[in-house]
Amino acid sequence: DTGVSQDPRHKITKRGQNVTFRCDPISEHNRLYWYRQTLGQGPEFLTYFQNEAQLEKSRLLSDRFSAERPKGSFSTLEIQRTEQGDSAMYLCASSPGSGAVEKLFFGSGTQLSVL
Amino acid sequence: AQKITQTQPGMFVQEKEAVTLDCTYDTSDPSYGLFWYKQPSSGEMIFLIYQGSYDQQNATEGRYSLNFQKARKSANLVISASQLGDSAMYFCAMNRGSEKLVFGKGTKLTVNP
Repeated sequence: DTGVSQDPRHKITKRGQNVTFRCDPISEHNRLYWYRQTLGQGPEFLTYFQNEAQLEKSRLLSDRFSAERPKGSFSTLEIQRTEQGDSAMYLCASSPGSGAVEKLFFGSGTQLSVL
Repeated sequence: AQKITQTQPGMFVQEKEAVTLDCTYDTSDPSYGLFWYKQPSSGEMIFLIYQGSYDQQNATEGRYSLNFQKARKSANLVISASQLGDSAMYFCAMNRGSEKLVFGKGTKLTVNP
């Protein structure tokens, strides 16, 4: 049983460019979450999916951000026209989605630097 | 709305000693879950321990125990017999049932040899 996998681990881009991150959850986990973490802060919720349905989006998720989970397996998070304020660690997590208590299992994150 | 407060930005402990990391929470819901995660410098968030609001006993997982005081709305993490590898950021988090986790700002723990 492999853990949550995120790719790439690091991404450096220039302001105004588009970037896309990928997350592969633990197999058979129905729920997939995206969080953003800036330096010195705890993770902040961005969005989550139950299978392929996007059930909730944070107000942090501006219209430049879009997330998909087309087949209910892996997910992508795209940021268009990146800004320096987008520099952060983007964490993906998954959970079974079948119980009353959802314990999240996280990947190692994608560190984004916008120059 | 749910809120998690971790008032200790940094903590130091001597190897083999015990340490308590503080966490208080705020919610009006009777049913909720409390979690602790460890984040080493590699970045991955590692699940440590969980406590449900209706659990009668404090949760324990190896060297980790959660001191749950419901009336005071506190969920402190106790690490016994600290090891050098325990040096990391520690985050307290909560959710309501199957909803998303809300995290505190974290506490940086340094274990000294």
